[in-house]
Amino acid sequence: GEDVEQSLFLSVREGDSSVINCTYTDSSSTYLYWYKQEPGAGLQLLTYIFSNMDMKQDQRLTVLLNKKDKHLSLRIADTQTGDSAIYFCAETQLMDSSYKLIFGSGTRLLVRP
Amino acid sequence: GAGVSQSPRYKVTKRGQDVALRCDPISGHVSLYWYRQALGQGPEFLTYFNYEAQQDKSGLPNDRFSAERPEGSISTLTIQRTEQRDSAMYRCASSRWDGPSLSQETQYFGPGTRLLVL
Repeated sequence: GEDVEQSLFLSVREGDSSVINCTYTDSSSTYLYWYKQEPGAGLQLLTYIFSNMDMKQDQRLTVLLNKKDKHLSLRIADTQTGDSAIYFCAETQLMDSSYKLIFGSGTRLLVRP
Repeated sequence: GAGVSQSPRYKVTKRGQDVALRCDPISGHVSLYWYRQALGQGPEFLTYFNYEAQQDKSGLPNDRFSAERPEGSISTLTIQRTEQRDSAMYRCASSRWDGPSLSQETQYFGPGTRLLVL
């Protein structure tokens, strides 16, 4: 079935690293995504990783993919108060001529000063 | 446009009324998607369009929900005879992908319409 799972809450101190974990179910997902949701704003695409990659780094963000265990993680280095938000991971499910995103329930990240 | 826009941003309606939610995708984006997000949950797929053609509506919860995109640009999601359980954030996304290919275009989301049915 379709079930992307994430832990609900993470609290870190400013300047520390944050690691948000996600498990997904569809091994045929070609891309896996991380979106950020801030209050009153839309879902902002943070980064994505292609399924044949193990790691992708983009400035303070590092995405690790363990395809065998269907485990995805997002590491934020030097976490800032502005990183406080809800983070969603999403797998892709192919439809006829397009794909849909299957989201987890989101991880609320709280950064303490 | 610069991004996906949605209107209204907030809608309060009484049970039994019809509502129409609008989405204006990024200029040139062929594919348009509707998602619904309940409080404390991630978005769930409702339906999508390539150009003006509705390709999949498997996520629409029942026949009170319908969507159209008559000219292949702006889309309207209509909910008839609203019920309290329809209260949620309705999100629209668009992408450039216009058909099967080896690549996969990213979906960009609008700010959403928060619907409250009293």
